[in-house]
Amino acid sequence: AQTVTQSQPEMSVQEAETVTLSCTYDTSENNYYLFWYKQPPSRQMILVIRQEAYKQQNATENRFPVNFQKAAKSFSLKISDSQLGDTAMYFCAFMKLNNNNDMRFGAGTRLTVKP
Amino acid sequence: ETGVTQSPTHLIKTRGQQVTLRCSSQSGHNTVSWYQQALGQGPQFIFQYYREEENGRGNFPPRFSGLQFPNYSSELNVNALELDDSALYLCASSREGTSYNEQFFGPGTRLTVL
Repeated sequence: AQTVTQSQPEMSVQEAETVTLSCTYDTSENNYYLFWYKQPPSRQMILVIRQEAYKQQNATENRFPVNFQKAAKSFSLKISDSQLGDTAMYFCAFMKLNNNNDMRFGAGTRLTVKP
Repeated sequence: ETGVTQSPTHLIKTRGQQVTLRCSSQSGHNTVSWYQQALGQGPQFIFQYYREEENGRGNFPPRFSGLQFPNYSSELNVNALELDDSALYLCASSREGTSYNEQFFGPGTRLTVL
């Protein structure tokens, strides 16, 4: 079974600074997807970034590059130039290829950006 | 393009009752997945519907059932409600047929079981 672990229940960062959210996962699969989702107080899950395991290059999306270490089964998200609107729950998720959208989520990290 | 919508926003039921939650998928999407998100936890996959049939299921008992309609909207039904069913229920729609199917989530229905 696949498990996703987010070891930081809560994080805080000053506006304009950088913060890194950690995620590790356990799987025997070789090809899969990894995701970071943002869930603001409005509750709507928003995709931040997606990584395909068969791609060596780290995905990046504007202020949100990831550090994907396949051998270590680590998938961290860096948020640079933090903005007040980044305050939210952040979930790391894993999905096997062609697995009917059966995504496995971590428990989440609550990020607070302070002015 | 209309996003994913869910109704109702909030719902309060008592133990043993039955509940139906509704989801309208995003325009052009033919697949709906349902997730349960207990307080302080990440979402857990309940099941997925594609072409009006269940197409994958997580570790949930049979009292969790669903339907998908020809317009791709969906319902989640939960029978014999238990206190532990209190959670945020999220649906997500996607377009089946591509190698990667990005899911777009709705805002959820908050179910409280007393």
